[in-house]
Amino acid sequence: NAGVMQNPRHLVRRRGQEARLRCSPMKGHSHVYWYRQLPEEGLKFMVYLQKENIIDESGMPKERFSAEFPKEGPSILRIQQVVRGDSAAYFCASSPRTGVDNTEAFFGQGTRLTVV
Amino acid sequence: LAKTTQPISMDSYEGQEVNITCSHNNIATNDYITWYQQFPSQGPRFIIQGYKTKVTNEVASLFIPADRKSSTLSLPRVSLSDTAVYYCLVEDSGNTPLVFGKGTRLSVIA
Repeated sequence: NAGVMQNPRHLVRRRGQEARLRCSPMKGHSHVYWYRQLPEEGLKFMVYLQKENIIDESGMPKERFSAEFPKEGPSILRIQQVVRGDSAAYFCASSPRTGVDNTEAFFGQGTRLTVV
Repeated sequence: LAKTTQPISMDSYEGQEVNITCSHNNIATNDYITWYQQFPSQGPRFIIQGYKTKVTNEVASLFIPADRKSSTLSLPRVSLSDTAVYYCLVEDSGNTPLVFGKGTRLSVIA
């Protein structure tokens, strides 16, 4: 059972371009979370999705950022018209469910976005 | 949403036992305490989780007093490869995501 797969591992974009970050959760996991991490800081929650639904997007900027988790295929975090401040490591995590048994979350290796 | 407080950094020599304490004064009845480890350029990795008293696995031990307002992660005989950031989290019941603080940066010295 492969772990959480994120691609690309590194992504370079010029200001104004679009960035698409992909996350394939572990097999059997229907919950996906996206986090952003700046150097020397902790992970900041962005969005929580279940299949085809956004459950909590309270941590995601209102503009330029969007996320989806379609019925088939990976979860996508999309950043339009990137700016230098978007440069960060973006981590995806998945879990089979939350709440009832406090199941642990499994994290991917992250995508390092650099905006030049 | 319960908040946690933990030291920003700690240093230790190889072979020593390291104890990292986390405060969570507002922990709720249904909350669990979970610790994650993060190496540079990698995603966090689950270490241990507990509700009360003591939990032990092959990596660490977690001590939780009766009032559950704090917890202590204990790493026995650390090695250089244990150098990482350690995050203490309190998980709300229900469909809420994990909330990470800044963690404790552990540096193990030879």
